[in-house]
Amino acid sequence: EIVLTQSPGTLSLSPGERATLSCRASQSVSRGYLAWYQQKPGQAPRLLIYGTSSRSTGIPDRFSGSGSGTDFTLTISRLEPEDFAVYYCQQYGNSPRYSFGQGTRLEIK
Amino acid sequence: QVQLVESGGGVVQPGRSLRLSCAASGFTFSSYGIHWVRQAPGKGLEWVAVIWYDGNDKYYTDSVKGRFTISRDNSKNTLYLQINNLRVEDTAVYYCAREGNSMDVWGQGTTVTVSS
Repeated sequence: EIVLTQSPGTLSLSPGERATLSCRASQSVSRGYLAWYQQKPGQAPRLLIYGTSSRSTGIPDRFSGSGSGTDFTLTISRLEPEDFAVYYCQQYGNSPRYSFGQGTRLEIK
Repeated sequence: QVQLVESGGGVVQPGRSLRLSCAASGFTFSSYGIHWVRQAPGKGLEWVAVIWYDGNDKYYTDSVKGRFTISRDNSKNTLYLQINNLRVEDTAVYYCAREGNSMDVWGQGTTVTVSS
């Protein structure tokens, strides 16, 4: 099983700032099949990024994904108030063994 | 619109069984694999199981093998999760999610609480 480790655990920033979230895999993620999800309290997760860098339908272009192998990054270029949430990375290259990271909480400073 | 709606959760005693359902609409259900993902209170997401579009292939996370059974009825556009011998650690919100560029559509979740 591929273990995903996200850092930092909590990120405190202000609206308008740039956010950089990290996801490190215990082994190479096949075909770059790494996704990012956003989850707000009381809501289901929402797919933001798939295939390392492709934005899902309707996701603003301030969200971008990058990386390869074992190191991946989600960047939010300019934080909007609605962006403060928990973010999870997930690998699906080792299908049918899927795994999520433990999450990064993005909070308002 | 594309939608998944879970149901069947509740409060149950340890050792009992429960069947969760996930009703799909707005897309061709029989063309997609569907996952179950759970989230314990205050914790992160845990992948539970997946069933391929035709129901012929099913996979589970190790911790639920032998107790959980995923199935589907494509004529009813419905996914199921049979949970037997419930444990306290199965307490969670259970989501179904469509397999498409990873998990592109999610239901709102159904809550399972295992308590004596």
